[in-house]
Amino acid sequence: EIVLTQSPDTLSLSPGERATLSCGANQDIRNYLAWYQQKPGQAPRLLIYDASIRATGIPARFSGSGSGTDFTLTISSLESEDSAVYYCQQRSNFIAFGQGTRLEI
Amino acid sequence: QVQLQESGPGLLKPSQTLSLTCAVSGSSMTTDSYYWSWIRQPAGKGLEWVGRIFSGGNTNYNPSLRSRVTMSIDASKSHFSLEMTSVTAADTAIYFCARNNYYFFDYWGPGSLVTVSS
Repeated sequence: EIVLTQSPDTLSLSPGERATLSCGANQDIRNYLAWYQQKPGQAPRLLIYDASIRATGIPARFSGSGSGTDFTLTISSLESEDSAVYYCQQRSNFIAFGQGTRLEI
Repeated sequence: QVQLQESGPGLLKPSQTLSLTCAVSGSSMTTDSYYWSWIRQPAGKGLEWVGRIFSGGNTNYNPSLRSRVTMSIDASKSHFSLEMTSVTAADTAIYFCARNNYYFFDYWGPGSLVTVSS
């Protein structure tokens, strides 16, 4: 079973700063990793897939990197609207998500 | 534009069967090659994948729920459904339907709250 572990649990930053969110897998998942943003009362929104490809309509300040077991979501210049919970998700025999990182701006 | 919308009873008693339907528009379930998934989220907690179904009827379920879950699809009517038997309070959650594009989820419904309470 592939387990994803996200860190930190909570991240508090100011507007304009850079956010770095991590997602680690306990097995090699190549680049089969997606990132989502979820705001209160809303469904998750796809940000990144295949570890580094931005989904349609996602601002360029969001970027993803990594492969194998270590992945990073970077938000280059934070805006207040980026306050949300961020989840990573992998592909395997069954689909699983990380536990989430809460980003507070 | 692809849109999904969940529907179903919001309140169940323990041991009853949960039944939800997801109506899909903007994406042809008969010609497009996607899986269609259910994902749930208890209040204040993370996301749990429940299962998925392909247009041809092939299914995959979360092993932890497999014994209680059945998914079905009516591609000609552009909807798919979830049944979960013998529900308990632990099944109380927001249930999302989503389009499964390869392995990730590119379109989501707004979610449907299901509460299990006696």
